[in-house]
Amino acid sequence: AQSVTQLGSHVSVSEGALVLLRCNYSSSVPPYLFWYVQYPNQGLQLLLKYTTGATLVKGINGFEAEFKKSETSFHLTKPSAHMSDAAEYFCAVTLPRGYGNNRLAFGKGNQVVVIP
Amino acid sequence: EAGVAQSPRYKIIEKRQSVAFWCNPISGHATLYWYQQILGQGPKLLIQFQNNGVVDDSQLPKDRFSAERLKGVDSTLKIQPAKLEDSAVYLCASSLELAGVADTQYFGPGTRLTVL
Repeated sequence: AQSVTQLGSHVSVSEGALVLLRCNYSSSVPPYLFWYVQYPNQGLQLLLKYTTGATLVKGINGFEAEFKKSETSFHLTKPSAHMSDAAEYFCAVTLPRGYGNNRLAFGKGNQVVVIP
Repeated sequence: EAGVAQSPRYKIIEKRQSVAFWCNPISGHATLYWYQQILGQGPKLLIQFQNNGVVDDSQLPKDRFSAERLKGVDSTLKIQPAKLEDSAVYLCASSLELAGVADTQYFGPGTRLTVL
């Protein structure tokens, strides 16, 4: 079954510094990949997703991610961290239609702390 | 556009008691999901409906959990009887259609359940 791995449950970043959250996937076929953000006491919100086509995907709030098949990765980046980026970030994977279960499988998440 | 609504937001019960959660998806969304999010982990799919039919309930502990979606709109998730390990946040999400597995899922704020 498809799965994703997110290392480092807590990530600290200085305000204005690069945000880099790593996500590696396991899948028998090229998957669909997602990044969601969860602010305190709120539901998850989609940041961006990759399905097919361009491997560099831009999302909301200045975030982007690049699908690298050779590295089985979908890392999330933002050039300059803002205090409002403090939240929990989840990587998730599913399979294209016709390739087994289409359940969305989430990683364990990264809690991002932004230091002033 | 109103988001996914869930109630209650918080619930505290004793083990062996019963509890029910309610979800109202975004208007027009055919697909509805219930997830369980245990502290420190990513959401795990419990059950997925398309309209009022079950698409995937393979990860639902059917000896104690049940869910229904009457008339293809709102849904209830019930636990009877609850165990200590059921303490978690229960998230409801909805999306426009099943045909697109890459469809964005919109999440509600969740119900935080504590079982004592």
